[in-house]
Amino acid sequence: EAQVTQNPRYLITVTGKKLTVTCSQNMNHEYMSWYRQDPGLGLRQIYYSMNVEVTDKGDVPEGYKVSRKEKRNFPLILESPSPNQTSLYFCASSLSSRQTQYFGPGTRLLVL
Amino acid sequence: LAKTTQPISMDSYEGQEVNITCSHNNIATNDYITWYQQFPSQGPRFIIQGYKTKVTNEVASLFIPADRKSSTLSLPRVSLSDTAVYYCLVAYNNNDMRFGAGTRLTVKP
Repeated sequence: EAQVTQNPRYLITVTGKKLTVTCSQNMNHEYMSWYRQDPGLGLRQIYYSMNVEVTDKGDVPEGYKVSRKEKRNFPLILESPSPNQTSLYFCASSLSSRQTQYFGPGTRLLVL
Repeated sequence: LAKTTQPISMDSYEGQEVNITCSHNNIATNDYITWYQQFPSQGPRFIIQGYKTKVTNEVASLFIPADRKSSTLSLPRVSLSDTAVYYCLVAYNNNDMRFGAGTRLTVKP
């Protein structure tokens, strides 16, 4: 089944404790992206990747890192999480930036 | 600054046609417009995409006027299961993904 998976789905952590949210897709998509979703703000792009080893900042990249060592995986790293990073995070993938994006199920993060 | 705006909420009744308009004043010639639907506890799901004039698929139509500064998603004969949040997305310069804040559609019996 074609899908985008994210892990974990729910995470509670404390300020400053490094964490990684994994994202994997099995559709051989070149384009992958991370978004955060907050009430009243919709989805805002954090980082995106056009292909392996090619990443770039989106609208709200501060406090986040990403890597794209393999085509299928695009982990989101929070080196030192802060409470303002409490949010719902979505990973998405598509054949290219112009094509339909397929979204993962979301990761709900709470930073205390 | 590229911005995508849409109404916060709309109400409708079963069987009616619903039109949701999105404003994207800074859209460029090659930027495309996409609409997504989102249910609680799920990721957004693609509905329709277009560049100009009119696009229709099995679930919706997308109307884009000549100046492309706005677009309208049209849902024919909505049902209770169409209650969801609808997002307009413009990919400015292909990579700058700007979602609107979402329109919460409530369909009543």
